[in-house]
Amino acid sequence: KNQVEQSPQSLIILEGKNCTLQCNYTVSPFSNLRWYKQDTGRGPVSLTIMTFSENTKSNGRYTATLDADTKQSSLHITASQLSDSASYICVVATGGGNKLTFGTGTQLKVEL
Amino acid sequence: DAGITQSPRHKVTETGTPVTLRCHQTENHRYMYWYRQDPGHGLRLIHYSYGVKDTDKGEVSDGYSVSRSKTEDFLLTLESATSSQTSVYFCATGGGREETQYFGPGTRLLVL
Repeated sequence: KNQVEQSPQSLIILEGKNCTLQCNYTVSPFSNLRWYKQDTGRGPVSLTIMTFSENTKSNGRYTATLDADTKQSSLHITASQLSDSASYICVVATGGGNKLTFGTGTQLKVEL
Repeated sequence: DAGITQSPRHKVTETGTPVTLRCHQTENHRYMYWYRQDPGHGLRLIHYSYGVKDTDKGEVSDGYSVSRSKTEDFLLTLESATSSQTSVYFCATGGGREETQYFGPGTRLLVL
């Protein structure tokens, strides 16, 4: 069964600090891996998409890495801001890329 | 929300009542999706469409039907709502494969 597991479940950090979120997956066949940000009460918004051949992709203060051999990904947030408080969801696409398996997310809270 | 609207945004209904949720997009994306999001679960695909009148089932399609008569509209129908269908429903659109999926704002459905 295709699965995406994220850790930690929740995280609290101080504004300005960095953090790294983890994602492990068992999805086959692999098409691409995505990270989404979901603010409370809103739909997810895409941060990055990485294919098998990409091992790093950045979007502003967000940097995602992918190790396709170990089936692990991470999302690193630099110089966190209060607006980074949200759920971060790891998603793996399979088959033709349209069937997505979602993780349950890491709930991040950034405090003053 | 990338030109995606969902209606209604909130609905309370009774068990056994039919319910239709509407998703409207303005970006002319070929693919449209319906997901549900429940605590402790990642988003799960209910149904998706790859063109007008072309639809397919997702992993949690029992009790749901869909229709797409126009590119811009994708309807999700609960023929006879049950309490287990209480959830937040998200519509998404995209071009498929390695392209981003854009999510709507969600519909909160409570079945009493």
